[in-house]
Amino acid sequence: QKEVEQNSGPLSVPEGAIASLNCTYSDRGSQSFFWYRQYSGKSPELIMFIYSNGDKEDGRFTAQLNKASQYVSLLIRDSQPSDSATYLCAVNHSGGGADGLTFGKGTHLIIQP
Amino acid sequence: GAGVSQSPSNKVTEKGKDVELRCDPISGHTALYWYRQSLGQGLEFLIYFQGNSAPDKSGLPSDRFSAERTGGSVSTLTIQRTQQEDSAVYLCASRTRGEAFFGQGTRLTVV
Repeated sequence: QKEVEQNSGPLSVPEGAIASLNCTYSDRGSQSFFWYRQYSGKSPELIMFIYSNGDKEDGRFTAQLNKASQYVSLLIRDSQPSDSATYLCAVNHSGGGADGLTFGKGTHLIIQP
Repeated sequence: GAGVSQSPSNKVTEKGKDVELRCDPISGHTALYWYRQSLGQGLEFLIYFQGNSAPDKSGLPSDRFSAERTGGSVSTLTIQRTQQEDSAVYLCASRTRGEAFFGQGTRLTVV
């Protein structure tokens, strides 16, 4: 069973602070990792992907990957109320197939003005 | 098309009726997924199609649920004899490699 775990939250962060979202996965053969944002009543939309160990930055967002620890995180700097959403971690496993892409349950992030 | 298209966007049906939900994936995408999301919950995997291979139906909650994908493109999810617990948003996603792209979903309400 290939699992992707996230803290469901809610995670409450004051405006302007750094929001840190975490995700762990069970399959060491996992190759690529995605962060999706889902606003209430909307579909998930991709905001970041990362394939290699280390950090990947895109604007206020930084994805961090540590394959040895089977851990991927998303940092949101200078958090804005518009960042309030559910963030879904998705992992592409090596085996392919339906469980080749597994989603976590998501973390509900609330940015307090 | 430019994105994943799902129809209808909203469906209200009476308990016991059958419903069909449609997904038109991004052109050229070989993989197609159906998920269900109840209010405030995470994504629940239902079924997966990959090219011409037999679909992975391991997520379907009961034999009232079935899905087809014709010509490797459009997919239809059918729910027979709907129950109130079937009320949810049904999301379709397609991909080749890399990220999955989601449609806007069909909100199904069984009354």
